Amino acid sequence: QVQLVESGGGLVKPGGSLRLSCEASGFTFSDYFMTWIRQAPGKGLEWVSYISTSSLSTYYADSVKGRFTMTRDNAENSLFLQMNSLRAEDTALYYCARGFRYCSSTSCSSSNLDGFDVWGQGTMVTVST
Amino acid sequence: QSVLTQPPSASGTPGQRVTISCSGGTSNIGRNFVYWYQQVPGTAPKLLIYRHDQRPSGVPDRFSGSKSGTSASLAISGLRSEDEADYYCAAWDDSLSGYVFGTGTKVTVL
Repeated sequence: QVQLVESGGGLVKPGGSLRLSCEASGFTFSDYFMTWIRQAPGKGLEWVSYISTSSLSTYYADSVKGRFTMTRDNAENSLFLQMNSLRAEDTALYYCARGFRYCSSTSCSSSNLDGFDVWGQGTMVTVST
Repeated sequence: QSVLTQPPSASGTPGQRVTISCSGGTSNIGRNFVYWYQQVPGTAPKLLIYRHDQRPSGVPDRFSGSKSGTSASLAISGLRSEDEADYYCAAWDDSLSGYVFGTGTKVTVL
């Protein structure tokens, strides 16, 4: 079945680094945009970053630009988020999600304009002394 | 803060109809697709509505979405206890070159 499994979260000190991973299964990973979304404890959803199918395009929220880097390995069906210079406000549950692939009667396409149809269960990142 | 504004809460009794609004601007809802997500506490969000008013397979037709100008709405008809959850609207924002979520609405079934 279609599945996304995140890993790599944990406790890190301010200024530290962490690398999150997301392993995809049950679908053709290379056909889909992928994204990271986070949710601070008791708060709403915040989009973090987006990567195109072939990694040609990446987008980042202003709050993480210059500190976070999103990459993917289509051969390994994996997604990554390298997080540097972490701050207390980065504390959140980080979800990996699949970009929605819209299919008309003739073709299917994936783009940054569409949302997300499959979500992982999340991995918790805590930034604290 | 979020650029998409939702009421913090909504409620109804079983069987009633509840509507959630999502107010945005010309750079997001005004130009791009609106999506809606349902998040039951303690679980990952679930896609409820895509491209303004389309339901993925498996989503009951009690859920419907609409868009007008720079605002969108989610309606839940025939409210059921399992609809108690947080609901978020979302859209791509051309000015920010990023995806934006609404502030979220907690739906309570009385």
